[in-house]
Amino acid sequence: EPEVTQTPSHQVTQMGQEVILRCVPISNHLYFYWYRQILGQKVEFLVSFYNNEISEKSEIFDDQFSVERPDGSNFTLKIRSTKLEDSAMYFCASSLTSGSTNEQFFGPGTRLTVL
Amino acid sequence: KQEVTQIPAALSVPEGENLVLNCSFTDSAIYNLQWFRQDPGKGLTSLLLIQSSQREQTSGRLNASLDKSSGRSTLYIAASQPGDSATYLCAVRPFISGNQFYFGTGTSLTVIP
Repeated sequence: EPEVTQTPSHQVTQMGQEVILRCVPISNHLYFYWYRQILGQKVEFLVSFYNNEISEKSEIFDDQFSVERPDGSNFTLKIRSTKLEDSAMYFCASSLTSGSTNEQFFGPGTRLTVL
Repeated sequence: KQEVTQIPAALSVPEGENLVLNCSFTDSAIYNLQWFRQDPGKGLTSLLLIQSSQREQTSGRLNASLDKSSGRSTLYIAASQPGDSATYLCAVRPFISGNQFYFGTGTSLTVIP
């Protein structure tokens, strides 16, 4: 069964460093998302991406974040200058549609630890 | 802003019992609602999607219902098994937010053998 994959599973970085989290969405899906979950808190939406551009973003997704689909298969989240509060589990998701049948499928997540 | 609440926060039941998990949301103008399962340290597994025009969806031992007017959804698990132990999350997609899901804090379920 097709699934969303994410690499790495765990990333440790120093505060101020740049990190790139990678995702391979399900191959025929058209909509891509990033969410994050700080330990013990709710899953929070960061950004959605369609047709090579951001379609929506939350207040969390400020100028230090960027997303890119560099080729036909990968979808990346870049955090330019990491802060301690960026430590969280980052989930990538994808969906085939955007309407009421929009069922989002999530990857296993990347645990980001900022020291 | 859409607020999603799940009660109880934790639930422990003996194997074989039927159980109901609850999800409530503040804005009834939604596209759909999706139930997920999250195992410790893992990703989210989609269980059921209910479109706004639907009242319920079933998959195996799982049945999810949606009552938009009261802002509620329930996930019914029949004949629970130890392998059902996980955190169950509901997520709501309001009209005004496009593709953004708003998640609840989840119900942590433990099924005791």
